[in-house]
Parts: sequence; C-alpha cells; structure tokens
Amino acid sequence: GAVVSQHPSWVICKSGTSVKIECRSLDFQATTMFWYRQFPKQSLMLMATSNEGSKATYEQGVEKDKFLINHASLTLSTLTVTSAHPEDSSFYICSGQDRSNSPLHFGNGTRLTVT
Amino acid sequence: KQEVTQIPAALSVPEGENLVLNCSFTDSAIYNLQWFRQDPGKGLTSLLLIQSSQREQTSGRLNASLDKSSGRSTLYIAASQPGDSATYLCATADGQNFVFGPGTRLSVLP
Repeated sequence: GAVVSQHPSWVICKSGTSVKIECRSLDFQATTMFWYRQFPKQSLMLMATSNEGSKATYEQGVEKDKFLINHASLTLSTLTVTSAHPEDSSFYICSGQDRSNSPLHFGNGTRLTVT
Repeated sequence: KQEVTQIPAALSVPEGENLVLNCSFTDSAIYNLQWFRQDPGKGLTSLLLIQSSQREQTSGRLNASLDKSSGRSTLYIAASQPGDSATYLCATADGQNFVFGPGTRLSVLP
C-alpha cells in the first residue's frame, strides 16, 4: 500500500526556535498534502491543505506565518513551526492524496515538545 | 457543514467477541467514506474505503457498510483480538474535504 514517511517521529526544542517536519510519499505522487494537529484523546484538526506547487490553504485560526508549509514536489511536503512556544506542543500528522477523492495515506506523526 | 459522530466513544470487550462500531454523518453528499485505525502515538492506518456507490467493503475480519441515505456507516470486527485494540476513526470525503469523527477507543481484553 501507499506509504507516507514522516520525520522526525519526535522532537524536543527550546522556546523561540524553529522546527521542520518532513513528509515524503514513497510510492505515490502526493498531489495534495494535508497537515493536522491532534491533541490528546481528540480527533484530528485540519491545519492546512497544500497542493503541489501552490500556496497552502490554511484553516481559520491557523497562523500561516507561524506554520510554514512547503510543497514544492509531488513527493515532499514540509511543515515548519517557527518561533515555537510551549503551546505549540502537540502531535502533528500529515496525509497525502494523489488525486481528488482517492484514499488518504497518513504519516506516523511527529510529537513536538517545546520547553 | 458536514458533521461526523461516532458511537460509542469507548468500548471494552473480551477477546473473541464480534463487535460493531458506528459512524454517522449529517450530509449524505459524500464521495466516499474511509475507516482508519490509530494506535497510541502513531498516525492513521487506512482500513477500508467505501465509495458512495458501494454498500460494503470487506477486508479479512473487517466489514464496513455504508448507508448514504440514512447517513450511517458501520465497521464490523469479527472474532476480536487484543491486537485490535486501538482508536477507530471514520472520515467522509468530498473531493479534498475530509471530515473526521472523534473516534471509538476499543480495548480487547485477553
């Protein structure tokens, strides 16, 4: 089946620093990447939708200057959390889709802890 | 706006039981519905995808049904095993719009 590789699986950083999370689609072309945030025992919260070669579309309430998304190729999308603060600590998950209405394929998530 | 709910929120069963997880959605204009499994601290693993034109899909011990008109889908797990313990989420899809349910936390006791 289709695989999305997400790295790192966990990261601890100091407040004020930036952290980059990568998602790669290994055996399909992810025309669209979705980035989610998940709080403990809660469902996924969509942060942004990114189509290859275009600017990401952010959900209401998500700061685009804080959560920078790059999707320059069909197999790689990155999320950079800039000037991270403790309240940014969360579980971040990406998912890829090769065409509209096709199945979603998820990465294994990244646990971010900001100290 | 699509809303997806899942009942029950949590379920604990002894090993070997057959069980049903429920997913309800408010807008029947969906293209497909997908069931996922999430283990603690992990991403989501796709289990089954049902197109809007289909009534059910089967994979091993899993069977998912879809009734678009009533806005319901069920995931049937036969002969449950401790390894089935996880959170199960359903998600409706319409193009690039995915709406996830809150999930059902399943514990299968040995």
